[in-house]
Amino acid sequence: GDSVTQMEGPVTLSEEAFLTINCTYTATGYPSLFWYVQYPGEGLQLLLKATKADDKGSNKGFEATYRKETTSFHLEKGSVQVSDSAVYFCALRREAGTALIFGKGTTLSVSS
Amino acid sequence: DGGITQSPKYLFRKEGQNVTLSCEQNLNHDAMYWYRQDPGQGLRLIYYSQIVNDFQKGDIAEGYSVSREKKESFPLTVTSAQKNPTAFYLCASSSPFLGETQYFGPGTRLLVL
Repeated sequence: GDSVTQMEGPVTLSEEAFLTINCTYTATGYPSLFWYVQYPGEGLQLLLKATKADDKGSNKGFEATYRKETTSFHLEKGSVQVSDSAVYFCALRREAGTALIFGKGTTLSVSS
Repeated sequence: DGGITQSPKYLFRKEGQNVTLSCEQNLNHDAMYWYRQDPGQGLRLIYYSQIVNDFQKGDIAEGYSVSREKKESFPLTVTSAQKNPTAFYLCASSSPFLGETQYFGPGTRLLVL
């Protein structure tokens, strides 16, 4: 079945460091891909998305490119801040009208 | 403000008791979803509904029930048959007219006494 695999955390970085969180997926067809962020005790917020191969999603300095050849959607940010500390979830949706399939989440901790 | 509300924020369940978690949205979205979040396990789908008066089981529906009598409401009942209900429950909604992006509520944390 369809699945999403994320790198295990926690990821611990200093402020202004470069961030990469790896995400790969298994799915038939052409799924849409998403990154969500969850701050402590809260629900999930959409961070960015991409709906077709080679699309780049971006928001708040975060970027991810939909790579069909490597079935990947890695999240990157050039300079992290303490306020970026949260849990990040990669997810896919195989087709319209279906639910999301999530990875297990990666905890990011940024220190000043 | 448009959005999704979940109540209560914390809920305590006694052994053998059924409890109902509320989810309301004023986004005029057709589809609604319930997910369960456990530490280190990501989110797993319990039930989803694409239109009023219709819903489908997700991956972990056993011990749960839902109803969808109104477009804006999708309550989840955790029954006594759910033996391990302690978790964080998240409700979401989406619309085909908005790219089907799912928007999430703030969640309800269910604890067993």
